[in-house]
Amino acid sequence: DAKTTQPPSMDCAEGRAANLPCNHSTISGNEYVYWYRQIHSQGPQYIIHGLKNNETNEMASLIITEDRKSSTLILPHATLRDTAVYYCIVRPNYGGATNKLIFGTGTLLAVQP
Amino acid sequence: GAVVSQHPSRVICKSGTSVKIECRSLDFQATTMFWYRQFPKQSLMLMATSNEGSKATYEQGVEKDKFLINHASLTLSTLTVTSAHPEDSSFYICSARAATKGANQPQHFGDGTRLSIL
Repeated sequence: DAKTTQPPSMDCAEGRAANLPCNHSTISGNEYVYWYRQIHSQGPQYIIHGLKNNETNEMASLIITEDRKSSTLILPHATLRDTAVYYCIVRPNYGGATNKLIFGTGTLLAVQP
Repeated sequence: GAVVSQHPSRVICKSGTSVKIECRSLDFQATTMFWYRQFPKQSLMLMATSNEGSKATYEQGVEKDKFLINHASLTLSTLTVTSAHPEDSSFYICSARAATKGANQPQHFGDGTRLSIL
């Protein structure tokens, strides 16, 4: 079972910041938070991941709360091409049988012109 | 970097045919590759984890004799759907994780294979 909870859908105006929330209240100390997105009929695309510090890359920023029970993915200036299903996934940072990505239902982000 | 190539992108074949799908990591070595299946309007479902040089580990409910996985090298894994039937029609997606730098490396995904069985 997925260990995260996300809203099923969100809208965002083109050019505005998109803030996608994720709850992971049962996260363990050794689990990372990963974000992927899937544009229609394509394979998932890696966006960003983090453990407890906020992270930023060329695609997005990841804000993780101090208690690590929730996080927010921020797309600073959403474009129409950012319309996709966004998945928040927790995964342990060690090897073994549990080190795999289990996808939940994600959030369908619709960027509106 | 971190490109995963999947081939073919689309297959249409008759019921009873066996279909092989290839997954290659183009610019990195992958000790672990993963195979997922996605039905329309559903999320990705993990089918199996493939480790180079050893037998694949299948998720509960996935028939290992139906979905044969081979991971013969650090850059190639194959999934063979044996004696495919219409209910096997789906979007099959592979992913790979780099062999270096620890287990928290992200998985990178191929663009999927859309399999249609007539």
